[in-house]
Amino acid sequence: GIQVEQSPPDLILQEGANSTLRCNFSDSVNNLQWFHQNPWGQLINLFYIPSGTKQNGRLSATTVATERYSLLYISSSQTTDSGVYFCAVEEGGYGQNFVFGPGTRLSVLP
Amino acid sequence: DGGITQSPKYLFRKEGQNVTLSCEQNLNHDAMYWYRQDPGQGLRLIYYSQIVNDFQKGDIAEGYSVSREKKESFPLTVTSAQKNPTAFYLCASKVGGPTDTQYFGPGTRLTVL
Repeated sequence: GIQVEQSPPDLILQEGANSTLRCNFSDSVNNLQWFHQNPWGQLINLFYIPSGTKQNGRLSATTVATERYSLLYISSSQTTDSGVYFCAVEEGGYGQNFVFGPGTRLSVLP
Repeated sequence: DGGITQSPKYLFRKEGQNVTLSCEQNLNHDAMYWYRQDPGQGLRLIYYSQIVNDFQKGDIAEGYSVSREKKESFPLTVTSAQKNPTAFYLCASKVGGPTDTQYFGPGTRLTVL
């Protein structure tokens, strides 16, 4: 099956700093999403981005499908950005297996 | 409000007992999913269902069972055959098809005593 890797595994930033999180996947995909898991365990959709670039406020994401990677950019980080960021890809043609990466744990210090 | 609800939030079970976790959605989504998350780890797929009365095993289905009798409901039973059931369980849904966003419920934390 498809393999998903994320880097770095852990990241510590001072408030106001910028960061880039990376997701590599081993095969072509129809669906790629970025999620943020808050300290209470809730997963929040950030982006649906199988290709191209999207922006939402201080967050943006780029997926280069031909090279099998995606990047999540966080600018001017805030303490509320802390948590775990997951990349997930869907293999197969229709609503099939979602494979999650191991996540990047981000800690933003005041 | 539209969304996905899971109950209970916390669940304690004695070894050897079956337990059922509830997942309900009012988003009119066709596809529903169950994931397991262990501490410090990513999510692993247990079961998924694309339509009513149909479901498929994910990567770690052994020791679990599901049903999909209604579009809005996808309960998960953790059986006594599951060797290490203590974990955080997350339910998700999406409209269907490969180009749709997946939405998650708040999760159930199961602890086996």
